[in-house]
Amino acid sequence: QVQLVESGGGVVQPGGSLRLSCAASGFTFSNFDIQWVRQAPGKGLEWVAFIKYDGNDRYYADSVKGRFTISRDNSKNTVHLQMNSLRAEDTALYYCARLATSGGYWGQGTLVTVSS
Amino acid sequence: DIQMTQSPSSLSASVGDRVTITCRASQGISNFLAWYQQKPGKAPKLLVYAASRLESGVPSRFSGSGSGTDYTLTISSLQPEDFATYYCQQYYSSPPWTFGQGTKVEIK
Repeated sequence: QVQLVESGGGVVQPGGSLRLSCAASGFTFSNFDIQWVRQAPGKGLEWVAFIKYDGNDRYYADSVKGRFTISRDNSKNTVHLQMNSLRAEDTALYYCARLATSGGYWGQGTLVTVSS
Repeated sequence: DIQMTQSPSSLSASVGDRVTITCRASQGISNFLAWYQQKPGKAPKLLVYAASRLESGVPSRFSGSGSGTDYTLTISSLQPEDFATYYCQQYYSSPPWTFGQGTKVEIK
């Protein structure tokens, strides 16, 4: 069955960095676009980043542009989100997900807390 | 960027009620709209894509409709398991693909 498993979250100080990973299984990973979506505690969903199936197109929310980098390794069925210059407002549960047009599968999320 | 305005932000309803949630886009999105259901502590679950296509396994009491800038999610007869928060997401053209603010459906 389709599975997406996020990892790499944790507590980091403002200005610090984290690298999130999303490990996929149960489908032909290299055929599917992936997005990252985050949810601050008690808040709604916020779209963060997107990477096309072949890695050739990448897009970011204005709130993370220049600080976050999305990448993928199709040989390892993994997508990464490199997060630099982290701010308190980046504190959230980060989900990776397939798009709605391809089944809308989501992982369970990994929690990032930015705090001194 | 396209803004999504979702309403209401919350509603109270009883089991068996018909419930309607609306999303309005700041520009036409040509039916590139999805609806998700999220329960506390869980990841969002896809209900509808392409504005009106029901995802496999989703009960038929859920339906989506709309066109242009205005879209609706309808629950024809609210069931106990439907109490949750609902989000729309537009995926028109290139990202950013914005979400609505969410609608929390509570028990009356």
